[in-house]
Amino acid sequence: EAQVTQNPRYLITVTGKKLTVTCSQNMNHEYMSWYRQDPGLGLRQIYYSMNVEVTDKGDVPEGYKVSRKEKRNFPLILESPSPNQTSLYFCASSLWGENIQYFGAGTRLSVL
Amino acid sequence: EDKVVQSPLSLVVHEGDTVTLNCSYEVTNFRSLLWYKQEKKAPTFLFMLTSSGIEKKSGRLSSILDKKELFSILNITATQTGDSAVYLCAVSGSTLGRLYFGRGTQLTVWP
Repeated sequence: EAQVTQNPRYLITVTGKKLTVTCSQNMNHEYMSWYRQDPGLGLRQIYYSMNVEVTDKGDVPEGYKVSRKEKRNFPLILESPSPNQTSLYFCASSLWGENIQYFGAGTRLSVL
Repeated sequence: EDKVVQSPLSLVVHEGDTVTLNCSYEVTNFRSLLWYKQEKKAPTFLFMLTSSGIEKKSGRLSSILDKKELFSILNITATQTGDSAVYLCAVSGSTLGRLYFGRGTQLTVWP
C-alpha cells in the first residue's frame, strides 16, 4: 500500500531533550516536506526537500533540523525542544513537478 | 508575502443543506490550487485546480477556480454527517514544492 509513515504518533518529552520524528514513504517520491499544525493557524511548512541531499527552509524552520540522506526518509530533528514546539506535525511527499502532496498520519508532540 | 484566506472559518449546517466554502489567494506566479479534507487525522486530497472556469466534480463535491479574481469555491450538496471535517485550501506558486495553506474551514453537519 502506498503510504507516508511517521513515527512516533504521540510523543511527550521535556524541554531540551533531543528528539527525532521519522518519516518514510514508499512511493519513490522526490519531494518531501514537514508541516506543523496549530489551532487557528492552519498548516505551516517547516522544511522541504526536493531530492536527496537537497533541503530548504519553509515558513517556520527555527528550532528544527532535517536531513535527506535517502530518497525514502526525511527525519525531523528537534535538538533542544521547547514548549512552543508543542504541536501536531505532518510529513508529506509528492512526485517531482506534481503539486498533490500525500500526508502521513501525524505526530502529536507535547514538550513540557 | 504569499497569502491564502479561507472563509468562513466555521460553519454549522443540518444534513441535506448545501454549503459553499471560499478560498482567496495572493501567490506569486500561481501554479495550482488544491483542496484537502481533514477529519482529525491526515489531510486527504480532494481536488486540484489549475485552469479558470473548469469545474472539478466528485460525487456531491465540486470546485471551481477563478484566476482573474483569485479565488476558488468548494461546494458540497446534500451534506451528510460524514462531511464534517476541516476543509483546507492550499496554493502553489513560483517555488517548486512549496504549498501555502489557509487556516481551514471547520464544517459541522448535524443530523
